[in-house]
Amino acid sequence: GESVGLHLPTLSVQEGDNSIINCAYSNSASDYFIWYKQESGKGPQFIIDIRSNMDKRQGQRVTVLLNKTVKHLSLQIAATQPGDSAVYFCAENTRANDYKLSFGAGTTVTVRA
Amino acid sequence: SQTIHQWPATLVQPVGSPLSLECTVEGTSNPNLYWYRQAAGRGLQLLFYSVGIGQISSEVPQNLSASRPQDRQFILSSKKLLLSDSGFYLCAWSLTGAEKLFFGSGTQLSVL
Repeated sequence: GESVGLHLPTLSVQEGDNSIINCAYSNSASDYFIWYKQESGKGPQFIIDIRSNMDKRQGQRVTVLLNKTVKHLSLQIAATQPGDSAVYFCAENTRANDYKLSFGAGTTVTVRA
Repeated sequence: SQTIHQWPATLVQPVGSPLSLECTVEGTSNPNLYWYRQAAGRGLQLLFYSVGIGQISSEVPQNLSASRPQDRQFILSSKKLLLSDSGFYLCAWSLTGAEKLFFGSGTQLSVL
């Protein structure tokens, strides 16, 4: 079946370095993608989203890249800070399933001081 | 600005007991409302969503139910909890389909 998944379950990053979190999806009809950050014991927080008619979108210290050819999504965090330690989820939906945001399993990011 | 409230934050219930989790949204009208469940170390599983008062769509067959008695109120219920109902329950809202969901702080439910 269709799924959204993450390449690596954990990522350790040195403070100040850039982080790259990857996500693969299988549904070629997916047309909306979103990244969330979840800290321990809290609900997911919206980071950034992107539609399939774009291949790059930037926010504050974050960039999302979308490669529809290989069905790959990535989140780049610039100058990673200790507060960036969290679980990061990618999610997607399609217009055919307008109310169903499908989530990947998540990548745990740990920032080393 | 919009806010979402979810309570209680933690709950310990015996097997076979009833459940009622409540979620309310402030600062917006006619939101889409969602209940997700998250098992430990896992992604989020959509349980129910609602596009309006009294309109509930169920995604996963289970012994849980949802109700939307008011525009900005969403309730998750069970008549008899199972051990497998343990998890982190999250309420969320959106204005445009399933784009840009905003989540509540979650309820950690332990069924013993």
